[in-house]
Parts: sequence; C-alpha cells; structure tokens
Amino acid sequence: TQLLEQSPQFLSIQEGENLTVYCNSSSVFSSLQWYRQEPGEGPVLLVTVVTGGEVKKLKRLTFQFGDARKDSSLHITAAQPGDTGLYLCAGVEGSTASKLTFGTGTRLQVTL
Amino acid sequence: DSGVTQTPKHLITATGQRVTLRCSPRSGDLSVYWYQQSLDQGLQFLIQYYNGEERAKGNILERFSAQQFPDLHSELNLSSLELGDSALYFCASSAGTSAFNEQFFGPGTRLTVL
Repeated sequence: TQLLEQSPQFLSIQEGENLTVYCNSSSVFSSLQWYRQEPGEGPVLLVTVVTGGEVKKLKRLTFQFGDARKDSSLHITAAQPGDTGLYLCAGVEGSTASKLTFGTGTRLQVTL
Repeated sequence: DSGVTQTPKHLITATGQRVTLRCSPRSGDLSVYWYQQSLDQGLQFLIQYYNGEERAKGNILERFSAQQFPDLHSELNLSSLELGDSALYFCASSAGTSAFNEQFFGPGTRLTVL
C-alpha cells in the first residue's frame, strides 16, 4: 500500500499568517488531489494537479506537484478563520478514480 | 450540500451485531464509493460500484459487504462488529470511473460499537 505522509499533523496559527502543508510519498502518482474536510462533513475537492512541476492557484491557496510526481505542497497566504479544517492530499494511481490513497491529514486552526 | 445523502447520521450498536449503512448518490452519478475514516488509519477506500457492478476493492474486511441497487443507491453491510470498527463511514459518488471525475462525498455515518 502506497503511503502519503503529511506534515505538519497539526497547525494552529493566527489570522493573516502564511503556512505550507506538505504531502510526501516514496511512490509516483499519476495525479494528486487536495481536499478540505470540515467537522461533521465529508471531504471537498479543492484541486487536482496532474503534471510534474505544475502549480495551481485558487485565490489565496497555491498548490504544487513535485517534478517527480511523488510529493505536493499547499501554501495558504494570509490565512483566515474560514480556512480552518482538515486538509487531505490524495494520490491517484493510474487513471482509475477508485485508486485514491489519502494522506495522513493536516489539521489547521486559524484564530482571530 | 454535495447532493450525496447518507443514513443514518449516527449509529450506536454492540459488538457482534450487524448494521446497514445507506447511501444515495448525486442525481446522474453512476459510481459509488465507500470509505472508512478512523483516527488511527485515516481515510481509507473500501469499495467502488459502477452502475450496479463491483468495480474495485480496497481495504475492505470480509465481514463487510456492499451492493448497488438498480436505482443506484448503495448499502454497506457490516457484520460481526468489533470495537475497532467504530469510525466514520463516507459514501462518495461520481459521474464515471475516471480519476478526473470529481468524487462528491456525503456527510458520513458515525458508527460507534460498544
């Protein structure tokens, strides 16, 4: 089973700070997805990155896929309380959606 | 609201019992996925159905089984329950089976085995 390690596990920051979450694996994935999960709800897809070295921006969120397609990062600029939640990366094997391997998760809390 | 519904929201039962979790996918979605989320194992893929047929299996125990009915709703059956089966169980649906078909997750069923 391929393993996706996320770091840090927990992050508590104040509004306005920047942060980066890392997702690392020893295996290669064809693409990588990032999700955010809020308490009492299921994960919601934020982005899919496909090409090694790809960078995608979603407002204050910047996602990067490593050149070797083994790792990814999520950078949040000027964090807001609404960014609070569990961030999960998920690696995709091949082109089959069922082969989603989720990371260990990063729990982010943003306070005023 | 993802459009995926799951019932019940909470379930409390005893060891050795059997329970059934139900999932209704988004309108038009043919694929249904089941996931288990626990504190120690994280979010793990259990099984996928596409248009009534089993498509892929993940880390699903033999005590667990699932099916997708002609109206596309799905049920996950958990039997001979153990304390370690306590977890959040999520259903997700997507239009197809490609990795580029976004999976939409339901709100989950929280199972507590006492």
